[in-house]
Amino acid sequence: SQQGEEDPQALSIQEGENATMNCSYKTSINNLQWYRQNSGRGLVHLILIRSNEREKHSGRLRVTLDTSKKSSSLLITASRAADTASYFCATRDRPGQGGKLIFGQGTELSVKP
Amino acid sequence: EPEVTQTPSHQVTQMGQEVILRCVPISNHLYFYWYRQILGQKVEFLVSFYNNEISEKSEIFDDQFSVERPDGSNFTLKIRSTKLEDSAMYFCATGQGTDTQYFGPGTRLTVL
Repeated sequence: SQQGEEDPQALSIQEGENATMNCSYKTSINNLQWYRQNSGRGLVHLILIRSNEREKHSGRLRVTLDTSKKSSSLLITASRAADTASYFCATRDRPGQGGKLIFGQGTELSVKP
Repeated sequence: EPEVTQTPSHQVTQMGQEVILRCVPISNHLYFYWYRQILGQKVEFLVSFYNNEISEKSEIFDDQFSVERPDGSNFTLKIRSTKLEDSAMYFCATGQGTDTQYFGPGTRLTVL
């Protein structure tokens, strides 16, 4: 089954604007994580939100989680050209290690200087 | 900051050949994973490995795939007889007991 579907698939904004990406999932989760992938590179962990949390901040990142709607959003404020990358949400059904991450399709963000 | 490293960065092979992809985990990490990403598609889980055995594997991880930690440091993924559809980026990830997984830069496998 599909899990972690992001929208939009692609987003193009000007430097300084905010970027919002959404993720929906289908099954129960323990936590949801957002990763960034620069072109041709590995995935970098950005932020994690647990199922009992509604909002979390880290620097210019703000993530929300609505478990009733099975959705999450990632907001990047005051975007920079260096934020250009693909952003993926990933869910885990249990805490701790040993559990796989289930990734969405990703949102390709382009920030124009 | 410690990083997960992977070699080679790009591997080209003929269909039917065996390939071994290598990963050096972050030193105190005990949990290891392989994922793959076919061009333009989502990242897919292949297998997780802990305490020298497979913890979980996906449907993709069939008998053609195997993993091992031969020398206590490297973590390898072997594909015995590659198919065209095995062409993808293969990512190793490692973790130390928390929810976060740390990904390597990937190996691009091209099967001709």
